[in-house]
Amino acid sequence: EAQVTQNPRYLITVTGKKLTVTCSQNMNHEYMSWYRQDPGLGLRQIYYSMNVEVTDKGDVPEGYKVSRKEKRNFPLILESPSPNQTSLYFCASSLAQVLNNEQFFGPGTRLTVL
Amino acid sequence: GDSVTQMEGPVTLSEEAFLTINCTYTATGYPSLFWYVQYPGEGLQLLLKATKADDKGSNKGFEATYRKETTSFHLEKGSVQVSDSAVYFCALNPDQTGANNLFFGTGTRLTVIP
Repeated sequence: EAQVTQNPRYLITVTGKKLTVTCSQNMNHEYMSWYRQDPGLGLRQIYYSMNVEVTDKGDVPEGYKVSRKEKRNFPLILESPSPNQTSLYFCASSLAQVLNNEQFFGPGTRLTVL
Repeated sequence: GDSVTQMEGPVTLSEEAFLTINCTYTATGYPSLFWYVQYPGEGLQLLLKATKADDKGSNKGFEATYRKETTSFHLEKGSVQVSDSAVYFCALNPDQTGANNLFFGTGTRLTVIP
């Protein structure tokens, strides 16, 4: 089954404790992206990647890192989480060479930083 | 810059009522426009899209027409069902970066009551 998976689905942590949210897709998509969803703000893009070893900042990259060492994986790293990073996070992927192609979203990771 | 403005929710309708969710956009180029739907506890799914002016996207009884003159992409359905209860996001792809980056509206929560 074609899908985007994220782990963990739920995470409660404390300020300053490094964490990684994994994202994996099995559709051989070049393009991957991370969004955060907050009430009243919709989804905002954190980082995106056009292909392996190619990453770019989105609208709200501060406090986050990403890496793209393999085509299927695009982990989101919070080196020193803070309470304002409490949010619902979504990973998405699509074919890069087809503009305006559908983005496929993962189920989301709900993060709480105390 | 590029942005999307969606009508504020929540929207509550009785089954079989007519639905309109307004969406207007600001873009410097010729964007593509999308409606995504998020069912409870799930990630976003593409509902429909339109890639040029006067295109009509349609799916599952929902429709939206790309109106360049009014910079709008309003979502409509003639007869909603309880199963349509979800959050609906309007989004645009500026189509200028070569990437599939999406700019989302804030989302409109629809509840359909029997």
